[in-house]
Amino acid sequence: GEDVEQSLFLSVREGDSSVINCTYTDSSSTYLYWYKQEPGAGLQLLTYIFSNMDMKQDQRLTVLLNKKDKHLSLRIADTQTGDSAIYFCAEISTDSWGKLQFGAGTQVVVTP
Amino acid sequence: EPEVTQTPSHQVTQMGQEVILRCVPISNHLYFYWYRQILGQKVEFLVSFYNNEISEKSEIFDDQFSVERPDGSNFTLKIRSTKLEDSAMYFCASSGQQGASGNTIYFGEGSWLTVV
Repeated sequence: GEDVEQSLFLSVREGDSSVINCTYTDSSSTYLYWYKQEPGAGLQLLTYIFSNMDMKQDQRLTVLLNKKDKHLSLRIADTQTGDSAIYFCAEISTDSWGKLQFGAGTQVVVTP
Repeated sequence: EPEVTQTPSHQVTQMGQEVILRCVPISNHLYFYWYRQILGQKVEFLVSFYNNEISEKSEIFDDQFSVERPDGSNFTLKIRSTKLEDSAMYFCASSGQQGASGNTIYFGEGSWLTVV
């Protein structure tokens, strides 16, 4: 079945770039998403990328997609303490719209 | 910015009791979803709902669960007889349309259900 894998933890210094990686198995994935979850809060949609794109940039966020390797990454430039959160990668396919398949989430801790 | 709102934010219930979790999706959205996240586990899809009927449901969504859109704004998840293992954060979500014109799925803040 479909699976989405992420590393569980990332520590980064304030001001540095963070890179969060994700791999997925479903070759029919059409959209890939990044959600952010702060402690006690809901899932905030950060950005998404369509599967025919290689890259998408949105202010401090850069998403890279390697469809051949089924690898997705999220780069956060100039990481701030407010970026400390759990980041979830998720994918969806057109034959199962709305059924997001989530990774386990990467806990990002930003240190001063 | 429009948002998905959920109530209650936290509910404690006794095993065997019925629970209704409520959601107000974004007003012009057509597709509605429930997900859940058991503590320490992945966010899991439960059910999708469109045009007043279930589009898809997961294995988790058994006969104890039901969804309803009782009026033009609310979308509810009912658990008929709660079990301890139903303790989780339940997320409601909505999206506009399928495919390129409605590919963003927005989540609410979640309802934390504790079954004791």
